[in-house]
Amino acid sequence: KAGVTQTPRYLIKTRGQQVTLSCSPISGHRSVSWYQQTPGQGLQFLFEYFSETQRNKGNFPGRFSGRQFSNSRSEMNVSTLELGDSALYLCASSLTGELFFGEGSRLTVL
Amino acid sequence: GQSLEQPSEVTAVEGAIVQINCTYQTSGFYGLSWYQQHDGGAPTFLSYNALDGLEETGRFSSFLSRSDSYGYLLLQELQMKDSASYFCAVQGSQGNLIFGKGTKLSVKP
Repeated sequence: KAGVTQTPRYLIKTRGQQVTLSCSPISGHRSVSWYQQTPGQGLQFLFEYFSETQRNKGNFPGRFSGRQFSNSRSEMNVSTLELGDSALYLCASSLTGELFFGEGSRLTVL
Repeated sequence: GQSLEQPSEVTAVEGAIVQINCTYQTSGFYGLSWYQQHDGGAPTFLSYNALDGLEETGRFSSFLSRSDSYGYLLLQELQMKDSASYFCAVQGSQGNLIFGKGTKLSVKP
């Protein structure tokens, strides 16, 4: 059974650009959550999608957005990138509560 | 709101026992989870406690006291491969998992 797949694994952007990250959940999992991980801050919750609807949202500015498609794949977008957006972005899917994480997309903003 | 406190770093030697504590504040409680993350890897689920007491899974055990808003992860017979970051997490009021900042465990030979 394939795990959670995130693409791209690494990317470098400059301030002001936008970025789109993709996440393919485990087959059969309809819930997809996104987290931002930075050194010393742990995993901070961005948002959760379930059946194409945003179910929960963390305390991030509106520059951070996401969506989920009918096949449960999810994307998150960050517009007008800032230096502080440099982080590891983790996607997790779940069926019954336990989260299964992908390897993450490491974003560097220059 | 919700918040979790856990030590930032712990060091222990191979074969020893180490306990990683976690205290939490949450408006509603639905259980305490633990996740392990090796450097450069994805967090992986270790354990979940919904009720008071000890849950044992091999060398790892997790304890919860709801009256004290406190839990811990106990790692026995430490191995070098246990060197990783360990996160406690509680379910937020909206259902999402809220994570602590993590405890970096270093196991020395």
